[in-house]
Formats: sequence, structure tokens, C-alpha cells
Amino acid sequence: DSGVTQTPKHLITATGQRVTLRCSPRSGDLSVYWYQQSLDQGLQFLIQYYNGEERAKGNILERFSAQQFPDLHSELNLSSLELGDSALYFCASSVDGGNNQPQHFGDGTRLSIL
Amino acid sequence: GENVEQHPSTLSVQEGDSAVIKCTYSDSASNYFPWYKQELGKGPQLIIDIRSNVGEKKDQRIAVTLNKTAKHFSLHITETQPEDSAVYFCVCGGYNKLIFGAGTRLAVHP
Repeated sequence: DSGVTQTPKHLITATGQRVTLRCSPRSGDLSVYWYQQSLDQGLQFLIQYYNGEERAKGNILERFSAQQFPDLHSELNLSSLELGDSALYFCASSVDGGNNQPQHFGDGTRLSIL
Repeated sequence: GENVEQHPSTLSVQEGDSAVIKCTYSDSASNYFPWYKQELGKGPQLIIDIRSNVGEKKDQRIAVTLNKTAKHFSLHITETQPEDSAVYFCVCGGYNKLIFGAGTRLAVHP
């Protein structure tokens, strides 16, 4: 058990809808990261937050947004969903937001768009 | 852009044999190289990492080597066991993000 908690485990919705994925980092970790895992693109970094502030951005679509709250949990919001957004979404956390820190992953949210 | 190539994509070994996975990367600024193991239905689990000031690191049956000049790094698993069966990812770290290889599906047969 990595200590990173993600909810829900599964989410099924329709095109055009909006969903929110939630992540609680390991106790003591200040930074959270979001990744998308799909069959054709592999595991791709989306965005990082450190202590409530955005720290780094990867291949995140404009339809997607995230935030980190004062209690350090994070939410990833996906809107105007398309079939191609079906994927596994992982959250990871690390002690601080510095480079080269070990990241510990949750077990993901499987999003299915019908 | 940053790129990590991983080989082989699948690897099948008999229990007790060794398994080797190799990766190359493009960004010479990368200086952190973790390896993750992902089992079915689970998130990636960090199994070992190495930093660029170290050429080799070992933890029980797992060892990693790094050649920064050639931009190569490898994972070696000795005395493989059926519970080692999973997908393994090599990763390059730098600038607050991890770049994952495409993964190697390892199957260890009893």
C-alpha cells in the first residue's frame, strides 16, 4: 500500500459530461502529480502541485484542470469528455516538489466514456 | 523532446532465471532514474531508483546500472519468481516530472 488514496476506483460516463477525480497524498507529502495511462500513449505526466500551487505542467488538455486544497488533497476535473479520454488516471505524491524525488502512486481511477 | 526507449516489450523467463530490461534516453539533463513495477489493477510501484552520480545500485535480487555517457540504464532481476510477473517501467526524472518508457511485460513461468 503506497498510502496514496484515489477515488472513485471506476467511473463510467457519457461524452460531453464532466467528472472530478480525487486524490489524497501520503501523510507528510506536500506535492501531488497527475498522470494519464492509455494503451496508445502509455503513462503521461499531466500536472504537478506543490503545497497548493501549480508547479509543473505536462500534456494536459485545456478541458482538464486540477487544484490542490489546503488539506493537500487534490482534484482533477475533466470536462467536455470525449471517447479518447477513456483511460486510467493516476495520482502520485512526493515529500516535496523538488526534482528527483521518489513519487508514490495510488491505484488509479479507471474512466470509461460511453 | 524527452524520450525513453525500453526493450524488450515482452520477456518470458523460467523461474530462477535472470531477467534484464534495457532503456535509453535522449535528454542529457536527466539525472534521476527510477524503476516501477505495475501489477494488474494496481498503480506503479517504485522498486528501485538510481541517481546520476552513481553507476550501480543493488537491492536484494534487483540491480540497476547507469551509463550516463551512453545514456543507457538497465534493470537486472536475478533468481526470478512467479510473483515478479508484472509490467516494468524505466523512467527518466528531471524538471519536476517523470518520463516513462513504454513498459516491459515480464512473465515468469514456474
